[in-house]
Amino acid sequence: AQSVSQHNHHVILSEAASLELGCNYSYGGTVNLFWYVQYPGQHLQLLLKYFSGDPLVKGIKGFEAEFIKSKFSFNLRKPSVQWSDTAEYFCAVGGNAGNMLTFGGGTRLMVKP
Amino acid sequence: DTGVSQNPRHKITKRGQNVTFRCDPISEHNRLYWYRQTLGQGPEFLTYFQNEAQLEKSRLLSDRFSAERPKGSFSTLEIQRTEQGDSAMYLCASSSYGDRGYNSPLHFGNGTRLTVT
Repeated sequence: AQSVSQHNHHVILSEAASLELGCNYSYGGTVNLFWYVQYPGQHLQLLLKYFSGDPLVKGIKGFEAEFIKSKFSFNLRKPSVQWSDTAEYFCAVGGNAGNMLTFGGGTRLMVKP
Repeated sequence: DTGVSQNPRHKITKRGQNVTFRCDPISEHNRLYWYRQTLGQGPEFLTYFQNEAQLEKSRLLSDRFSAERPKGSFSTLEIQRTEQGDSAMYLCASSSYGDRGYNSPLHFGNGTRLTVT
């Protein structure tokens, strides 16, 4: 069975601080990895995805994530956060056929101005 | 905005009543998913359709839950004899699955928040 673990449930940062959110997964097969973001009052939006190729993927709004196969990890990073990055971030894993995604429990990020 | 649309946005019902939610996916998407999200948790997969065929159902989907997508476009999720534990946000998502086995990322709707009193 596939599973996703996000270690940080709540993160509070000041503006301009660097961000790294952890995500570890277990999946028996070729894996597709995603980060979704949910801004307050809005729907889940795709931040970035990894299907294959370069393990360092860049997403929207300056976010990036690195797939490290040996560590079963797909951590999300941003060098300098902004107040507008305040949101909940979800890591998700799925198979090649994309039939379903398994989500982590989410990390609630608050950025103080 | 031609995103995924869900109705109603909120539903309050008494325990034991039946409720039905509707999801209109992005028009060109052939796959439609239902997820449930409770407070402090990530979305949990319930079921998905490819066109009108329901291809997978989670064990979370008890006999009281039924989903349909009769014409391969909109979908409904019905919960019969609601229980307080059914209180959650019900999310719908859609995607485009192609012949080469590539599934586009899921696009989510705003969800329907169900409160069972």
